Amino acid sequence: QITLKESGPTLVKPTQTLTLTCTFSGFSLSTSGVGVGWIRQPPGKALEWLALIYWNDDKRYSPSLKSRLTITKDTSKNQVVLTMTNMDPVDTATYYCAHDVGWFDPWGQGTLVTVSS
Amino acid sequence: SYELTQPPSVSVSPGQTARITCSGDALPKQYAYWYQQKPGQAPVLVIYKDSERPSGIPERFSGSSSGTTVTLTISGVQAEDEADYYCQSADSSGTKVFGGGTKLTVL
Repeated sequence: QITLKESGPTLVKPTQTLTLTCTFSGFSLSTSGVGVGWIRQPPGKALEWLALIYWNDDKRYSPSLKSRLTITKDTSKNQVVLTMTNMDPVDTATYYCAHDVGWFDPWGQGTLVTVSS
Repeated sequence: SYELTQPPSVSVSPGQTARITCSGDALPKQYAYWYQQKPGQAPVLVIYKDSERPSGIPERFSGSSSGTTVTLTISGVQAEDEADYYCQSADSSGTKVFGGGTKLTVL
């Protein structure tokens, strides 16, 4: 059974850097074809894909947020870390990580991050 | 940037068929995926590779593709199907994208 869980701060101040960790079980990020992605959802709004890292350390970023995002993996710890710089109130959202084999399944439960001074 | 377009809302009566469309220029070359999201819950995959149904998803969920449009069809809609539905695909560089979501209301 594959499970993922997001962790990190629930509140960050504007201009700060957000660091989120996705801890997973039930699969290995060293297996060919496997990836972990990050997706966010502002309250009452649509899903927005952020970033994806593959088993071979290949990385993909949302073009609109690429300059602010960094995704890394620690295969030995079964973790994927997403950092987003220069946080703004519009970045307030629930942040999800998800297992990827071409599609996102399953997803973590999500973590709500509020950006406010 | 690449975009996927969905209708904001679809309404059907119980037992009827709901069809939710998703349009995008790259869809003839890229697979589409569909996710169901109920209030307060994480999204759940209901269709992958345009028309494949994951295990555990009821047979009333089906997907199809024609040109630049993919369609999620829910036959014999039940009250429990009321949710937001999102399509997702990718462009040729591997950049992922979601549609704006469709709220399915069961009247």
